[in-house]
Amino acid sequence: AQTVTQSQPEMSVQEAETVTLSCTYDTSESDYYLFWYKQPPSRQMILVIRQEAYKQQNATENRFSVNFQKAAKSFSLKISDSQLGDAAMYFCAYIVAAGNKLTFGGGTRVLVKP
Amino acid sequence: DTGVSQNPRHKITKRGQNVTFRCDPISEHNRLYWYRQTLGQGPEFLTYFQNEAQLEKSRLLSDRFSAERPKGSFSTLEIQRTEQGDSAMYLCASSLGYRSGRANEQFFGPGTRLTVL
Repeated sequence: AQTVTQSQPEMSVQEAETVTLSCTYDTSESDYYLFWYKQPPSRQMILVIRQEAYKQQNATENRFSVNFQKAAKSFSLKISDSQLGDAAMYFCAYIVAAGNKLTFGGGTRVLVKP
Repeated sequence: DTGVSQNPRHKITKRGQNVTFRCDPISEHNRLYWYRQTLGQGPEFLTYFQNEAQLEKSRLLSDRFSAERPKGSFSTLEIQRTEQGDSAMYLCASSLGYRSGRANEQFFGPGTRLTVL
């Protein structure tokens, strides 16, 4: 069974600084996708960034970028130039390429200090 | 259609009562998913529909739970004889079909928060 682990329950960052969230996963599959979702308080989950396992290049979306290390089964998220609106729970998620269900980690709460 | 919608947003019920939640996916999405999220945890998969066919169910989905998607559009999730352990956020998500190449990219609704007293 696939598992996703986020080892940091909470991370704090100063506004305009950079924070990196960790995620590791366990799978025997070779073709899969990884995602980071953001869930602000009392608001719906939003897809932040997506990485295809077959791509060596790390995905980037504006201030968000990932460090995908396939051999190490690691998928970290870097938030650059942090803004107050980045404060939220962040979930790492995995799905097999031909699969239907996302497997989520336990989440990391990001606090942004002004 | 700007996104996945869910109703109601909040539901408080007494133990033993039945509840039903509704999900309206993004209109062109033929795949629909239900997840459950308890406080401080990540969402857990419950079930999945492709059009009107329910193709996968988690072991989390006990006999008291039933989901339908009668015309391949909106879906309902019913919980019969609710228990306090059913208290959670119930999330619905939708995605395009497999041939789109983006079937795995799921878009979530705001959820229905269930409190069982």
